[in-house]
Amino acid sequence: ETGVTQTPRHLVMGMTNKKSLKCEQHLGHNAMYWYKQSAKKPLELMFVYSLEERVENNSVPSRFSPECPNSSHLFLHLHTLQPEDSALYLCASSQIEGLEQYFGPGTRLTVT
Amino acid sequence: SQQGEEDPQALSIQEGENATMNCSYKTSINNLQWYRQNSGRGLVHLILIRSNEREKHSGRLRVTLDTSKKSSSLLITASRAADTASYFCATDASFGNEKLTFGTGTRLTIIP
Repeated sequence: ETGVTQTPRHLVMGMTNKKSLKCEQHLGHNAMYWYKQSAKKPLELMFVYSLEERVENNSVPSRFSPECPNSSHLFLHLHTLQPEDSALYLCASSQIEGLEQYFGPGTRLTVT
Repeated sequence: SQQGEEDPQALSIQEGENATMNCSYKTSINNLQWYRQNSGRGLVHLILIRSNEREKHSGRLRVTLDTSKKSSSLLITASRAADTASYFCATDASFGNEKLTFGTGTRLTIIP
């Protein structure tokens, strides 16, 4: 256990559905991240929150909407996704940006 | 953008042998990190080496960093079946964007 939990672990959704991914860290960290991992591609950074403020948005489509209500929780709201959005979505946290990150187990998302 | 690239993409060795993986990157860095990922799971931080360090050890892991060649290597000695995983390097640029940038990884298989 890394101290970062993600729910759900698996999610199948249609293109018209709305769902949310949840991440929680129990490490007292002040930075949280969403990554997308697709087969045979480098890990893609999607969003970064530092001290609950969004500091990075790597040209992610608006159908992905992050929310960070406090330093321990991070959400990724999903709506009208495309099949190419199917991937493993990983949440991570760190004490300071740029230092070692602690990852959750990921949510395997399938868009049908 | 800066990106670590691991070499080889895949490596299979017998249990007990040593495994060496390499990482190259493009621009100056503050630090370089290695992570391990078991299939379909989150990444686990292994070791961090700072730009002013040349070598670092942690248990059976040995990491070297050559900033003049913009490369790093990860050596796993006396490999075990449990070392079977994908290994990623991640770099933290020394200017501008301090976010971690991950490579595509080396898939290591240890044959019992």
